[in-house]
Amino acid sequence: DGGITQSPKYLFRKEGQNVTLSCEQNLNHDAMYWYRQDPGQGLRLIYYSQIVNDFQKGDIAEGYSVSREKKESFPLTVTSAQKNPTAFYLCASSATDTSSYEQYFGPGTRLTVT
Amino acid sequence: EDKVVQSPLSLVVHEGDTVTLNCSYEVTNFRSLLWYKQEKKAPTFLFMLTSSGIEKKSGRLSSILDKKELFSILNITATQTGDSAIYLCAVLYNQGGKLIFGQGTELSVKP
Repeated sequence: DGGITQSPKYLFRKEGQNVTLSCEQNLNHDAMYWYRQDPGQGLRLIYYSQIVNDFQKGDIAEGYSVSREKKESFPLTVTSAQKNPTAFYLCASSATDTSSYEQYFGPGTRLTVT
Repeated sequence: EDKVVQSPLSLVVHEGDTVTLNCSYEVTNFRSLLWYKQEKKAPTFLFMLTSSGIEKKSGRLSSILDKKELFSILNITATQTGDSAIYLCAVLYNQGGKLIFGQGTELSVKP
């Protein structure tokens, strides 16, 4: 079955610790995205990558970092510099040909930092 | 600054009612408008609208785009409790596949 997996589903960390969220896809998509979702604010773009070894900042990149060493994988690190890291994090992927930009989402990781 | 605004933010209806969800946008380099349904976790794709005035339908759901007035509506007829979800509207930029999302409308359908 093709799809996007995110792990873990729930993650708890102490303030001051970095944490890495996993995102893997087997849809053969070139583009991958990370979003953050807070209540009442919809989805906000953190980082995105159109191709391996390249990525761009989204609207709220401060305090986050990413890597794209493989087409299938786009891990997100939430660093201690992120002021308010508790949120629901969604990963997505899409093709990059102009006829099919629809984004497919993973099940999400709920991060709680105390 | 580009933005996508949805209204209402939340809505409570009874089974069998018809609902209309609104999405307005101010986005440079507009390519398409997308609707997603989010029940608990991953948003699932509903519609992609690129041309004005052409209605897209899927069962009891339908949607239309007005590129002159910069808005879209999502209609759900004969609502069921399974329609309870957050409905997300997003605009796809013309280059790069980037999406900008609205705040979402939380729909609750009571039996």
